[in-house]
Amino acid sequence: DQQVKQNSPSLSVQEGRISILNCDYTNSMFDYFLWYKKYPAEGPTFLISISSIKDKNEDGRFTVFLNKSAKHLSLHIVPSQPGDSAVYFCAASVGTGTASKLTFGTGTRLQVTL
Amino acid sequence: DAGVIQSPRHEVTEMGQEVTLRCKPISGHDYLFWYRQTMMRGLELLIYFNNNVPIDDSGMPEDRFSAKMPNASFSTLKIQPSEPRDSAVYFCASSFLAAPRGYTFGSGTRLTVV
Repeated sequence: DQQVKQNSPSLSVQEGRISILNCDYTNSMFDYFLWYKKYPAEGPTFLISISSIKDKNEDGRFTVFLNKSAKHLSLHIVPSQPGDSAVYFCAASVGTGTASKLTFGTGTRLQVTL
Repeated sequence: DAGVIQSPRHEVTEMGQEVTLRCKPISGHDYLFWYRQTMMRGLELLIYFNNNVPIDDSGMPEDRFSAKMPNASFSTLKIQPSEPRDSAVYFCASSFLAAPRGYTFGSGTRLTVV
């Protein structure tokens, strides 16, 4: 049973436009959410996170939005750049600030075109 | 710090053979995780250790899989005997307790069982 779902396997966006990546979860106990970015032949790297006490967290061009009632979060990248082309994984855990188990989604491959 | 180091980067083996994947975590990290990435299931947690002790191995798919952490700087994931459906990318990650930003992943081992 997939507790974290990324229903779009791929997304193509023009350079300079907004990229929106979506993630849904089913476990209401999840209270900490993260996005990881993965380039080919490399391991995933941390991008941005959000705690369930917030509904938005911003870091430069990256913003994560959390809608707890809908059990939905999204990652916005504005403006999109060619270097953002990668696979993005959504992850969730019960508990914040600890190395508790992260449950990952299946990933969304973002392609930013010129 | 060199980061989390995994070896080998690629492994091709015949069905029925034993496969051993290796991981060196970041010094000072007391949690170590083994994940498997497939297209269908994304990143799945197989097992994790805290202070070299296995804490949760509920993700290990079958008895053919085993993992050890003999000391704080080394872990192995063994598959014996290997099967074609074990073909995937296996990631090791490490973290320390108060790590709100999640894990640091290695570059992964791509396993192909023919």
